[in-house]
Amino acid sequence: KAGVTQTPRYLIKTRGQQVTLSCSPISGHRSVSWYQQTPGQGLQFLFEYFSETQRNKGNFPGRFSGRQFSNSRSEMNVSTLELGDSALYLCASSTAGLAGVSSYNEQFFGPGTRLTVL
Amino acid sequence: SQQGEEDPQALSIQEGENATMNCSYKTSINNLQWYRQNSGRGLVHLILIRSNEREKHSGRLRVTLDTSKKSSSLLITASRAADTASYFCATGNFNKFYFGSGTKLNVKP
Repeated sequence: KAGVTQTPRYLIKTRGQQVTLSCSPISGHRSVSWYQQTPGQGLQFLFEYFSETQRNKGNFPGRFSGRQFSNSRSEMNVSTLELGDSALYLCASSTAGLAGVSSYNEQFFGPGTRLTVL
Repeated sequence: SQQGEEDPQALSIQEGENATMNCSYKTSINNLQWYRQNSGRGLVHLILIRSNEREKHSGRLRVTLDTSKKSSSLLITASRAADTASYFCATGNFNKFYFGSGTKLNVKP
C-alpha cells in the first residue's frame, strides 16, 4: 500500500496570505489527523477528521481549519498567516473509528509540509 | 494537559551501547506510544503499550510502563548509527494524541 502523502512538501508564503495543505491517507483509512510541529512548541494536535466530520479539535485559533472529502483525503487551511505559523505540518491516518477496530490504533504519518512564513 | 515529557532532552552514545529514554505524563491513559522522527521528516510508529501492560518488546526495543508513577521508558539495545533520530512518547486516545518534547538521540559510529 502507498503511504500517507502530503502536498506540497515545501511552501513559502508571506504574512497575511492564506495557504491550503493537502493530505492523502493510506487506502482504507478514514481517520486523518493534523499536527503542527515547531521547535518551540513541539508537536501539537490541530484536528482530526473521520468520515468528513471533525471529531476532535486542538487549541488553535479559528484561522486554522480543515475538511475531509468523501474519498478521505483531507485539506487544512490557514488564513491570515503569521510568522509564528512557520512549522512542519504533519498529517496522520489510521483505521480508528472503523467498526471492529480497537481504539488502540497506530497512526501512520506523512512526510510533512514545511511552511515558511516571511 | 496529558502531554508527556521526555528525559533526557538529548543523548549521545557510541554505537553498540544501549540508549534509555524516559517519558512522564500527567493524566490517566489507555495506552502510550513511542515514535521516532528522523530530522525534519514524518514520525514512524515504534511500539504501543497498553495501560494494563508493564513491559513490551519489539526487536531491539524494550518499553516499560509504570502507571503508578505515570512514566514510561524506551530502551534501545545495541544501538546503531541509523538509530540517530528524535524519539517521542505520545498519549491520548483515538486520534487525538499529545506528544512529549522528545529526546534527540545521537549514535556515534
